[in-house]
Amino acid sequence: ETGVTQTPRHLVMGMTNKKSLKCEQHLGHNAMYWYKQSAKKPLELMFVYSLEERVENNSVPSRFSPECPNSSHLFLHLHTLQPEDSALYLCASSQLINSPLHFGNGTRLTVT
Amino acid sequence: AQTVTQSQPEMSVQEAETVTLSCTYDTSESDYYLFWYKQPPSRQMILVIRQEAYKQQNATENRFSVNFQKAAKSFSLKISDSQLGDAAMYFCALIEAGGGADGLTFGKGTHLIIQP
Repeated sequence: ETGVTQTPRHLVMGMTNKKSLKCEQHLGHNAMYWYKQSAKKPLELMFVYSLEERVENNSVPSRFSPECPNSSHLFLHLHTLQPEDSALYLCASSQLINSPLHFGNGTRLTVT
Repeated sequence: AQTVTQSQPEMSVQEAETVTLSCTYDTSESDYYLFWYKQPPSRQMILVIRQEAYKQQNATENRFSVNFQKAAKSFSLKISDSQLGDAAMYFCALIEAGGGADGLTFGKGTHLIIQP
């Protein structure tokens, strides 16, 4: 049990599909994050939520839409993705914005 | 903007030996935190060690220790008595004390291979 749970573990979707990634943290943390991990590139911060409010959006295309309904749950809604969006999407949480991150196991996304 | 550089894409070490992974960084802030994360094949990123920039003493965590050189902006990770379970990708990361506009910045990672 990692404390941060992501579902699904793997996802294959077509470019016209709509899907959602789910993240749940059981650590009582106040901040949650979405990261994108592509081959041979540093982890890219996509979104940050602190106390359920979005505090960071690093110029992510609008085909990625985050949702944080409460401090324990974070979603990433996907629509009309491109093949280059194929990557590992990691969710993380932390007590505070500058506290160590606790990561989930990630969702391996393949866009066909 | 802050940057983190890991110049070793891959490192190999014999089991029970010691290995050092390099990391350099750049930030305009004087107060920040540095981390090493480990990502085994299970894909979960696991915090290995943390260093506060205002602390001169190098952080240690069992077999893991860092060599923090603030003036040189260097933050290397030393793994002593390497074990097979240490095989993973290792990422160096930095965040400014106030959170910063960039959040946590990661390096590209170093793939550590442990040879039995």
